[in-house]
Amino acid sequence: DAGITQSPRYKITETGRQVTLMCHQTWSHSYMFWYRQDLGHGLRLIYYSAAADITDKGEVPDGYVVSRSKTENFPLTLESATRSQTSVYFCASSAIGTYGYTFGSGTRLTVV
Amino acid sequence: GESVGLHLPTLSVQEGDNSIINCAYSNSASDYFIWYKQESGKGPQFIIDIRSNMDKRQGQRVTVLLNKTVKHLSLQIAATQPGDSAVYFCAENISKAAGNKLTFGGGTRVLVKP
Repeated sequence: DAGITQSPRYKITETGRQVTLMCHQTWSHSYMFWYRQDLGHGLRLIYYSAAADITDKGEVPDGYVVSRSKTENFPLTLESATRSQTSVYFCASSAIGTYGYTFGSGTRLTVV
Repeated sequence: GESVGLHLPTLSVQEGDNSIINCAYSNSASDYFIWYKQESGKGPQFIIDIRSNMDKRQGQRVTVLLNKTVKHLSLQIAATQPGDSAVYFCAENISKAAGNKLTFGGGTRVLVKP
């Protein structure tokens, strides 16, 4: 299917576990982004990528790792999940020369 | 669906009335602005954008106004409908900056009363 898809939709994990959130887009957009959305904080940028193998930190990168070996995929890994990482995570993409993003449907992550 | 924010400013609007949602942006270097709509359980969806060389832009039932002097952005929704109930975010971008990063405002919840 065309578009941007995130998986899983919902995830419950235990403190200290590693968990990976997946993001896949079919447009070959150069830019991809991970945001987290929390009560009272709106959307905060975790990491972004300008192209395959090019990634950079956003506003709140601590505790997260990203990779981008292929243009279409941008997984986000929580190396050792903490309760403060309970949040809704959104992936987004945009093409070069455009400034608006298309967002995925989000992953709701609960760390217990 | 997910709760976006318990402490969001809320605008209650009667169905059929016009809505005005306001946003103060932070960076005077920002030159591109977007409004997004987020319905419960979904990702933000693009509504309308405006560049800093414009003061006003109209879409279907929506108008965005930009006042660069006071760094203020507003979204007007004409004849508000129940389907307009959502959280609305403004976002700003510096188009020449590396990374194509958007900075989002905190959001406003719009509740449409029948």
